[in-house]
Amino acid sequence: GQQLNQSPQSMFIQEGEDVSMNCTSSSIFNTWLWYKQEPGEGPVLLIALYKAGELTSNGRLTAQFGITRKDSFLNISASIPSDVGIYFCAGQPFGNEKLTFGTGTRLTIIP
Amino acid sequence: EPEVTQTPSHQVTQMGQEVILRCVPISNHLYFYWYRQILGQKVEFLVSFYNNEISEKSEIFDDQFSVERPDGSNFTLKIRSTKLEDSAMYFCASSTRGGEKLFFGSGTQLSVL
Repeated sequence: GQQLNQSPQSMFIQEGEDVSMNCTSSSIFNTWLWYKQEPGEGPVLLIALYKAGELTSNGRLTAQFGITRKDSFLNISASIPSDVGIYFCAGQPFGNEKLTFGTGTRLTIIP
Repeated sequence: EPEVTQTPSHQVTQMGQEVILRCVPISNHLYFYWYRQILGQKVEFLVSFYNNEISEKSEIFDDQFSVERPDGSNFTLKIRSTKLEDSAMYFCASSTRGGEKLFFGSGTQLSVL
C-alpha cells in the first residue's frame, strides 16, 4: 500500500529556531495536507496543497508540494512553545477519498 | 468556528461487547469519515461515507464494523464484538469534497479490556 515517510521522526529545538521537516512517498498524490496533533486531540489542518510545485504559507508555516507530487516539506519559522506537537503529512491519491497519513514528526521545544 | 464533535471522549468496554461511537460532523459537509490511531502510531483510514452509503473502506473495516447516519446530523461507528486490538483513539472527520481538507473531531479513546 501507499506509505508516507516523514523525517526526522523527532526534533528538539530551541525556542526561536526555524524548523524544517519533510515527507516522501513512492506514490503520486493528488492533494497533500499537513496536520498538527496535540496530546489527546484530533489532527488539526495546517496547510493544504493541490498543485505540483505549489508553495503555500499560513502565518509562520510554509509548505511546498514537490514537482513530482511525491514529496513535500513543511517549515516553521521562529518557533514558539505552542508549536509543540506531532506534525503529520497526509496524501490523497487521485480518484480516492481516503487520506494516507505519514509516520509523523514529533516537535519538542526547549525553552 | 464550526467543528466536528465526538462523544463519548472515553469509552471502556469488555471484550466481545458492542460499542457505538458518535459524531456530529460539520453541518454543511457532505463527506464523513472514521479514522483510528493506535497509541503512538499514525492515523489510519477506516471508512468514508457519502450520499448515505459507504464509498470506500480499508481492510481494517471488516464485518465487525458498521457506520450509519441515522438522521441529518449524527454519524455513528458501531463495533459489534470488540476485540483487544480494537483499543485505539477513533477520530471522526468530515469535508465538503471527497478527501480534501478533512476536519477532525477530538476523538473517542476506546479501551477494550
